[in-house]
Amino acid sequence: NAGVTQTPKFRVLKTGQSMTLLCAQDMNHEYMYWYRQDPGMGLRLIHYSVGEGTTAKGEVPDGYNVSRLKKQNFLLGLESAAPSQTSVYFCASTPSLRGFYNEQFFGPGTRLTVL
Amino acid sequence: GIQVEQSPPDLILQEGANSTLRCNFSDSVNNLQWFHQNPWGQLINLFYIPSGTKQNGRLSATTVATERYSLLYISSSQTTDSGVYFCAVEGWGSNYKLTFGKGTLLTVNP
Repeated sequence: NAGVTQTPKFRVLKTGQSMTLLCAQDMNHEYMYWYRQDPGMGLRLIHYSVGEGTTAKGEVPDGYNVSRLKKQNFLLGLESAAPSQTSVYFCASTPSLRGFYNEQFFGPGTRLTVL
Repeated sequence: GIQVEQSPPDLILQEGANSTLRCNFSDSVNNLQWFHQNPWGQLINLFYIPSGTKQNGRLSATTVATERYSLLYISSSQTTDSGVYFCAVEGWGSNYKLTFGKGTLLTVNP
């Protein structure tokens, strides 16, 4: 049971390049999330998904797109990277079962630098 | 949306000392979690505690939901306790989305 994994761990992009971050979870969780963390700040929600085939915007969605084609995977895309997107990106998942513990579990993070 | 404030923002301790970290939130919550982010950036779940008291070794947490605050206690601190401690809450009706505080940076010196 690997929990939540993220690929890649590190990446350097040039302004205008595109890339996709992959999040995978093997806990059969319904809900998945993408957060970003900037220096001195807590995590802020970018997008989230309440189930396979569904996505929704979070607090800071501009410049990002997401897809959830399979329940276990949640992809975060940057179509045209900007220096303001330099950050550490965390993925999380939760079972989201009514009446049960809905603790969020986090992946190890992806450190992205945009030059 | 719901606001989360953590105090103090920074804390320096000598090994063996005790400490209390506080998390205030502006509205009723369905979920509250405490995390430790270690110096390597990894987020570690400490407690899932929307109400009541829990203990895990040298760490314990108490959430008083009616008064909208939570406390994290660290006893007999060790250098490995260093890092940033985050409180995150899920407001009622927020669809399981967590709002994070800005964290408390804890440094434990030997």
